[in-house]
Amino acid sequence: GDSVTQMEGPVTLSEEAFLTINCTYTATGYPSLFWYVQYPGEGLQLLLKATKADDKGSNKGFEATYRKETTSFHLEKGSVQVSDSAVYFCALTPNQAGTALIFGKGTTLSVSS
Amino acid sequence: GAVVSQHPSWVICKSGTSVKIECRSLDFQATTMFWYRQFPKQSLMLMATSNEGSKATYEQGVEKDKFLINHASLTLSTLTVTSAHPEDSSFYICSALGLDEKLFFGSGTQLSVL
Repeated sequence: GDSVTQMEGPVTLSEEAFLTINCTYTATGYPSLFWYVQYPGEGLQLLLKATKADDKGSNKGFEATYRKETTSFHLEKGSVQVSDSAVYFCALTPNQAGTALIFGKGTTLSVSS
Repeated sequence: GAVVSQHPSWVICKSGTSVKIECRSLDFQATTMFWYRQFPKQSLMLMATSNEGSKATYEQGVEKDKFLINHASLTLSTLTVTSAHPEDSSFYICSALGLDEKLFFGSGTQLSVL
């Protein structure tokens, strides 16, 4: 079945460092890909998404490109801030309306000043 | 933006008791709600999908008699963990799908069964 694999955490960075969180997927067909973020004490929030190959999702300085050839959707940010400390989840949906998301295990990011 | 309220955020109960978790969409109608559980350092695992006014669809391996889901209105779904045991201790998260097919998540409920 469909699945998502993301890098184990925690990831600990200093402010202004470059961030990469790897995510690869296994899916039949053409899934949509997502990154969700969960800040302490809050629900998951959609960070960005891409619905087809070569699409780039971006938001709040974060970017991820849908790479079908490598089945990847790595999350990047050029300069992280302390406020980016959170848990990041990579997810996919099989592109059928109303279908539940399939999540990776989540990666905890901790940014220090 | 759209908000999903999940309550309680944490609960401790004795083994054998039942616990109800509520999930409300505050400013939109949710045609479909999803219930997930998450063990430490594991993925969010889908437990069931509920559509307003109909029976929930449970994922394989999830006991429907143990995890009762009621989706009685377009803004409320409840998950009741019946006769809870320590192995049911987990983090439960709901999500609600709006009419525009955007998905919003609750903040989760940490259940600890003693």
